[in-house]
Amino acid sequence: GDSVTQMEGPVTLSEEAFLTINCTYTATGYPSLFWYVQYPGEGLQLLLKATKADDKGSNKGFEATYRKETTSFHLEKGSVQVSDSAVYFCALSDEGAQKLVFGQGTRLTINP
Amino acid sequence: DGGITQSPKYLFRKEGQNVTLSCEQNLNHDAMYWYRQDPGQGLRLIYYSQIVNDFQKGDIAEGYSVSREKKESFPLTVTSAQKNPTAFYLCASRWDTIFGGYTFGSGTRLTVV
Repeated sequence: GDSVTQMEGPVTLSEEAFLTINCTYTATGYPSLFWYVQYPGEGLQLLLKATKADDKGSNKGFEATYRKETTSFHLEKGSVQVSDSAVYFCALSDEGAQKLVFGQGTRLTINP
Repeated sequence: DGGITQSPKYLFRKEGQNVTLSCEQNLNHDAMYWYRQDPGQGLRLIYYSQIVNDFQKGDIAEGYSVSREKKESFPLTVTSAQKNPTAFYLCASRWDTIFGGYTFGSGTRLTVV
């Protein structure tokens, strides 16, 4: 079945550092790809998405490009802030958008 | 404002008791979902419902039950058959029927003692 694999955390960076969180997927067909963010004690918020190969999703300085050839959707940000500390989930939606399949999540901590 | 309301935020129950988690949405979304979140394991799908009066098992449905009598409501019952019910439970609804965008509630943390 479909699956998503994220880089293991936790990840700790200093403020203004460059961020990469790796995400790869296995899926049949042409899934849509998502990054969600979860702040402590809260539900998930959609951060960005891409619905076809070579699409780039972006929001709040975060970016991710849908790479079909490497089945990847890595999350990047050029300069992180303390407020970016959260858990980040990569996810895919199967064809037909019936279900979302999540990676295990990566906890990110940014130190001032 | 439209959204998903999960209640209560924290729930404590004794082992062997059934407990029902509430999920209500005023977004007019057809599809609703229940996920379970455990530390380091991401989110796992328990049940989902595409329309009223219909629902399907997800990957970890054993020990759980749901109903979908109204479009706005999708309650989850954690039964005594669920071996390890302590977890964070998230309800979601789907706003993008083509590509699968979801809106999530703020979750219910269930602790069984």
